[in-house]
Amino acid sequence: DQQVKQNSPSLSVQEGRISILNCDYTNSMFDYFLWYKKYPAEGPTFLISISSIKDKNEDGRFTVFLNKSAKHLSLHIVPSQPGDSAVYFCASSDSNFGNEKLTFGTGTRLTIIP
Amino acid sequence: GAVVSQHPSRVICKSGTSVKIECRSLDFQATTMFWYRQFPKQSLMLMATSNEGSKATYEQGVEKDKFLINHASLTLSTLTVTSAHPEDSSFYICSASRRVRTDTQYFGPGTRLTVL
Repeated sequence: DQQVKQNSPSLSVQEGRISILNCDYTNSMFDYFLWYKKYPAEGPTFLISISSIKDKNEDGRFTVFLNKSAKHLSLHIVPSQPGDSAVYFCASSDSNFGNEKLTFGTGTRLTIIP
Repeated sequence: GAVVSQHPSRVICKSGTSVKIECRSLDFQATTMFWYRQFPKQSLMLMATSNEGSKATYEQGVEKDKFLINHASLTLSTLTVTSAHPEDSSFYICSASRRVRTDTQYFGPGTRLTVL
């Protein structure tokens, strides 16, 4: 039972344009959401997070949007840069477990075309 | 800061042998360490959570006698896959956090285990 779904395994975006990565979840107990970025041969690195009391969180070029009614979150990267090419994982947790029990999606490979 | 290393990065072993994977937090003290497994084209799945000096908490369906976890210090956790079989071949990745429940998890680069 995949509780966190990233339905697009890959995405290609022109440099300078907006990249939008999507994530859906099914567990209504999830109330904290994170995005991780992974380069080859490295572990995932934390990018940005959002709690369910917000619907938007912004950090520089990265913005995460949360639509609780649709159980959907998205990561916007603008403008996209070649260094953004990586695999992006969304993850969710239930605050009863703090940040401990993360449920990950399968990842979306983003390729930025120069 | 917040660097986590894993050793080895790759290991190939024969069926029936045991393999130990180390996870170290290099520049911080990790109150909690986590072990994940990822099969091809699947998501990272949490196997167990360990706090320094106490027994690990295993997720449902993960055999604690097969996957032995030791978190003997605030900078080192080990995962031992005992009597490994080909179906244990996977990508094992650890993460560490500085504070219980509230800190971001910092991930190691992972270990690719192949059991022949």
